[in-house]
Amino acid sequence: AQKITQTQPGMFVQEKEAVTLDCTYDTSDPSYGLFWYKQPSSGEMIFLIYQGSYDQQNATEGRYSLNFQKARKSANLVISASQLGDSAMYFCAMRGTNTGNQFYFGTGTSLTVIP
Amino acid sequence: DTAVSQTPKYLVTQMGNDKSIKCEQNLGHDTMYWYKQDSKKFLKIMFSYNNKELIINETVPNRFSPKSPDKAHLNLHINSLELGDSAVYFCASSPPKLAANNEQFFGPGTRLTVL
Repeated sequence: AQKITQTQPGMFVQEKEAVTLDCTYDTSDPSYGLFWYKQPSSGEMIFLIYQGSYDQQNATEGRYSLNFQKARKSANLVISASQLGDSAMYFCAMRGTNTGNQFYFGTGTSLTVIP
Repeated sequence: DTAVSQTPKYLVTQMGNDKSIKCEQNLGHDTMYWYKQDSKKFLKIMFSYNNKELIINETVPNRFSPKSPDKAHLNLHINSLELGDSAVYFCASSPPKLAANNEQFFGPGTRLTVL
């Protein structure tokens, strides 16, 4: 069974500080991808970053990086130098090669950046 | 150019009515999805179509019926609306195979309110 777990319903971070949002997953697929999405209060879903299970290096996109620990089945999102505009819901998602086209989403983490 | 578009953005209707939400993508993707996001922000997959063929049909009431006239469109029709149907409905699309950056692209969402 495929499962994504986000254990932090809410997080607070001081502006300009770094924050880590946790994501663990469970899959039997030999090959899979991990994704993070941001959903601001305006409601749209914004793709942030992708990590493939066979990628040798952790993914980075600007201030976003993915701390991928395959043995621990974790794919934590690190946001550096937090900005007020980072306040949003963040969703971790997974897609496996054997599960066809289905994406599995976690329950999300609400991040609030404090000025 | 909008990649995934949905209409309408807001839908307010009475219980018992029938309504449709339209979705179109111009990305050339083969796979399209419908998600329901409840008030707790949990994203639940409802349906997925690959090249006009239904491939994921999660446990949703049969009052919900997707229709894909072509691979660029996936519409959602809801019969006999109930209060519990109030939610934000997202359409999404993706390439069919897992590969680097084959993320889902989401539409802006349709906020359905059933009175």
